[in-house]
Amino acid sequence: ILNVEQSPQSLHVQEGDSTNFTCSFPSSNFYALHWYRWETAKSPEALFVMTLNGDEKKKGRISATLNTKEGYSYLYIKGSQPEDSATYLCAPVNFNKFYFGSGTKLNVKP
Amino acid sequence: DAGVIQSPRHEVTEMGQEVTLRCKPISGHDYLFWYRQTMMRGLELLIYFNNNVPIDDSGMPEDRFSAKMPNASFSTLKIQPSEPRDSAVYFCASSSPSTGGLGTDTQYFGPGTRLTVL
Repeated sequence: ILNVEQSPQSLHVQEGDSTNFTCSFPSSNFYALHWYRWETAKSPEALFVMTLNGDEKKKGRISATLNTKEGYSYLYIKGSQPEDSATYLCAPVNFNKFYFGSGTKLNVKP
Repeated sequence: DAGVIQSPRHEVTEMGQEVTLRCKPISGHDYLFWYRQTMMRGLELLIYFNNNVPIDDSGMPEDRFSAKMPNASFSTLKIQPSEPRDSAVYFCASSSPSTGGLGTDTQYFGPGTRLTVL
């Protein structure tokens, strides 16, 4: 079992605010890290997969960075919109298995 | 492609009954995963298959749980007998191999089956 921590557990922001949250994981045996977006009553959807220390990925207003040496990844959302409201899950990969964190639940108020 | 298909979407049963959950992966995907989502433990991997062969079932909680993949387009997760603590949402996911290896492959999730055991 891999100890994956995501913080904060939940976040309430106003439309237009930029926000970020953290995924922490053991740096040993790191292979890759995935970010997923999970809307209520839907299934998780892939955002990014990152493998290299210093990796940065971007998709529209959402971006992510990776530090494999210290074992963390940040997810940033610029100018949050109500449609960004969802739970954001990270999943580091260890020995070919995904270990999902408990997620950060984001609520963007219009 | 229709994506990963799961059935039923909702299942309500009584303790002691057998429950069978079904999954059709995305065509061409060689890996299939079964996950369980609960409030206490989040999303946890139960078992995964590669080319219809179970590779790692260490996440299967008890002998009451079993999973099969008779062919590339169908898998089942069976609970017999079911108990109230099995109530959860069960997700199936599939992925296709890439040059980066299994750990870099995106997993595509189905809509899940919400199981309630009374």
